[in-house]
Amino acid sequence: NAGVTQTPKFRVLKTGQSMTLLCAQDMNHEYMYWYRQDPGMGLRLIHYSVGEGTTAKGEVPDGYNVSRLKKQNFLLGLESAAPSQTSVYFCASSRSGEGNIQYFGAGTRLSVL
Amino acid sequence: AQSVSQHNHHVILSEAASLELGCNYSYGGTVNLFWYVQYPGQHLQLLLKYFSGDPLVKGIKGFEAEFIKSKFSFNLRKPSVQWSDTAEYFCAVNADTNAGKSTFGDGTTLTVKP
Repeated sequence: NAGVTQTPKFRVLKTGQSMTLLCAQDMNHEYMYWYRQDPGMGLRLIHYSVGEGTTAKGEVPDGYNVSRLKKQNFLLGLESAAPSQTSVYFCASSRSGEGNIQYFGAGTRLSVL
Repeated sequence: AQSVSQHNHHVILSEAASLELGCNYSYGGTVNLFWYVQYPGQHLQLLLKYFSGDPLVKGIKGFEAEFIKSKFSFNLRKPSVQWSDTAEYFCAVNADTNAGKSTFGDGTTLTVKP
């Protein structure tokens, strides 16, 4: 029972490089989310998806893109990484009709130099 | 838009002390309320939730929270904390008009001294 799996766990990028973070869930959840967590700022929603093929902007979407081509996967892309994107990224998923209880992955720690 | 305010950013307690973490939200309609906990180096996990019914809800590890609708509050309590309760605690609200999305507070870091 894997739940929500994020890859990679750690990554160091140089400014301007691109990368994709992968989130996979095996609970058949409709909703998926990407958050960033920064000290003193809690969790901020980057993008989210309410179903396969649909995505929407969250609170801090600039500099990120997402895709949900398959129900179980939610990808977060950084096209041109900036030092301000140094953060811990969490993916989460939730089931429709369960009151939005969210299940989180273990996180990806990203440093942009 | 809904918002969530957690009053304490960092709380330091000794073991066996009582805990109360404040959470207020701004939304006048029906809400689902949550407390999540993040232990050091781990991901967030659900501590307890309120959907409807008895406003006093109990969660894991002896935690409880009380929903007071008139005060828009959902405070977290524990009568006697343990060193293992050291963690960051997040309050979250899901509004009926915002299905599929929750708003999180900034978090409260709890340090319990042995």
